[in-house]
Amino acid sequence: GENVEQHPSTLSVQEGDSAVIKCTYSDSASNYFPWYKQELGKRPQLIIDIRSNVGEKKDQRIAVTLNKTAKHFSLHITETQPEDSAVYFCAAFNSGGSNYKLTFGKGTLLTVNP
Amino acid sequence: EPEVTQTPSHQVTQMGQEVILRCVPISNHLYFYWYRQILGQKVEFLVSFYNNEISEKSEIFDDQFSVERPDGSNFTLKIRSTKLEDSAMYFCASSVGSSTLEQYFGPGTRLTVT
Repeated sequence: GENVEQHPSTLSVQEGDSAVIKCTYSDSASNYFPWYKQELGKRPQLIIDIRSNVGEKKDQRIAVTLNKTAKHFSLHITETQPEDSAVYFCAAFNSGGSNYKLTFGKGTLLTVNP
Repeated sequence: EPEVTQTPSHQVTQMGQEVILRCVPISNHLYFYWYRQILGQKVEFLVSFYNNEISEKSEIFDDQFSVERPDGSNFTLKIRSTKLEDSAMYFCASSVGSSTLEQYFGPGTRLTVT
């Protein structure tokens, strides 16, 4: 089955700096890669996603890049703000299979220091 | 904006008791999921449900677990005889369909087994 590795497990940055979180996946059939932000005690919130026919996607301060050959994808947050502090999870998904499960990475605790 | 809702927000039960966790997916969504998250760990897939049957289940989803869509709006997860290790946050999620992949999560039910 799919296995998703996520690094780093914790990341601390100064406000205004950029943050990068990286994930690798094992199943070459995976073709959809969402990122979720989870604040303490809250639900995972979908913040951005990318499909395998695209190499990069950007939404304001957030961008995601995908390298299908290397089977890795990354989340980039620019001009970080204290409210970006949360746990971020990457996930992988194969829409061509008969199942529709997301396989999550272990999460990255991002702390943005004012 | 429509959201997935879950009840109760917190359930405390004694080991061996049955619990039913309830979810109301977004109304036009056709695919439903249960995930769980043990405190401080990643989100883990339990089961996916489409067209009134289970699409896939993980190894966690053993005979003690069952899901049901008893009417047109509710989606339930039943644990027949709870164990201490079932203590976790249980998230329901839903998605529109196979071509629209985004999964939206409910706020979760915190299950505490004593």
